[in-house]
This record gives sequence, structure tokens and C-alpha cells, in this order.
Amino acid sequence: DADVTQTPRNRITKTGKRIMLECSQTKGHDRMYWYRQDPGLGLRLIYYSFDVKDINKGEISDGYSVSRQAQAKFSLSLESAIPNQTALYFCATSDRDRTTDTQYFGPGTRLTVL
Amino acid sequence: DAKTTQPNSMESNEEEPVHLPCNHSTISGTDYIHWYRQLPSQGPEYVIHGLTSNVNNRMASLAIAEDRKSSTLILHRATLRDAAVYYCILQVGGANNLFFGTGTRLTVIP
Repeated sequence: DADVTQTPRNRITKTGKRIMLECSQTKGHDRMYWYRQDPGLGLRLIYYSFDVKDINKGEISDGYSVSRQAQAKFSLSLESAIPNQTALYFCATSDRDRTTDTQYFGPGTRLTVL
Repeated sequence: DAKTTQPNSMESNEEEPVHLPCNHSTISGTDYIHWYRQLPSQGPEYVIHGLTSNVNNRMASLAIAEDRKSSTLILHRATLRDAAVYYCILQVGGANNLFFGTGTRLTVIP
């Protein structure tokens, strides 16, 4: 079984709809991250969480919110989706005890907003 | 953002070594150099990281210049499965954010 799972893997929705993307991990890591990737571009950080009570905005948090329901679960919400949020979304985890931030990524969720 | 500069694309013949360069002239003393790669239709995966000394692991080697302003990821024998986008990233001193650039797209020619 994969260590970092994302659901759904693909989603098509309409402008104005609320969407939730979910991420679960079995690695026992404290840190979790949400990134988006646009075609031909690298990944940009949306939000990150160091533990259940610690949530931080990343480079591009506007239009998104997150919830860390448990150590193993980190969800990303689009309250009112818009077409320029069409992208590939990745969740990642890393281990607090390490001095370097080796991150482990999920398989991604492809979101299309019409 | 911690800046790195990489060529947009490179090609290699199968079973030949590949040297992927990265410039990071603004690096400071506590910044780690990370390399990740992203295979088609997958999330990025960790390849290797280093601080000052050259590093080897089962996937690759990382050669870091003496002044640390550049580094090179070395794949000793490229295979078709190594075709991916390779990202060189600086982890800025103790921070937990990795700033991904656009990377180098490696094409492996059979």
C-alpha cells in the first residue's frame, strides 16, 4: 500500500462549487504539505502543517483553506472553485526529527474547474 | 525564494552517464541542496541531498562545488526509467519549505 494517498485522483467540477481534496499518510510523519503544479511549471506550496495544531500559509494560499484532522490526515478545500485553480495537486509529508526536509509525495489529484 | 538555475532540457543515451548541472550562487552556509525527480504522471520523489561534501546513494551521486555555488547530479548509467524532470532545490537554513523551480527535463534515448 502507498504511504501517501490522495483522494480523489481526478475531479471535474464547476465554477463556484466547494471542493475538498483529501490526503492520508501511514508514514507517521508530523509534517504535511499541499502543493499545486500547473502545466510546464514546478510545484508551488499552498499550505503546510507541522502538527495537528500548527497550520501555515505557503506561497499561494489565497482561495484555499486546509484542515489537519489528525496526524495522518490533511485536507485541502476550495471554498468556491474558479477555473484558474485547475491544476495538479500534490500532498507531501516529512519527518520532524530529521534536520533536512526530505518530503514524500502522494500520486496527485488532477482537478479541472469548468 | 531560494533560487536555483537549471537547463530546461537535456538528452542522454541509454546506459551512458548523465551529469545534470545546477547553479545556486545565492546559497548560504546552512542551506542544503536537494534533488528530486518527477516521473511522468507521478508525484516528485526524493533523489539525494547534501550540504558540503559529495554524496552517493543507490540512485545517484551529488557533486558539490567547493564554493557550493553549483552542484551536479550524476546518474551513472541512464536507463529509460530515468526519463523525468529533475529538480534542484535549496532548503533554506532550517526552513521546511522546498522551492521547486521548473527543473531539467531529461530524455533518455534508447
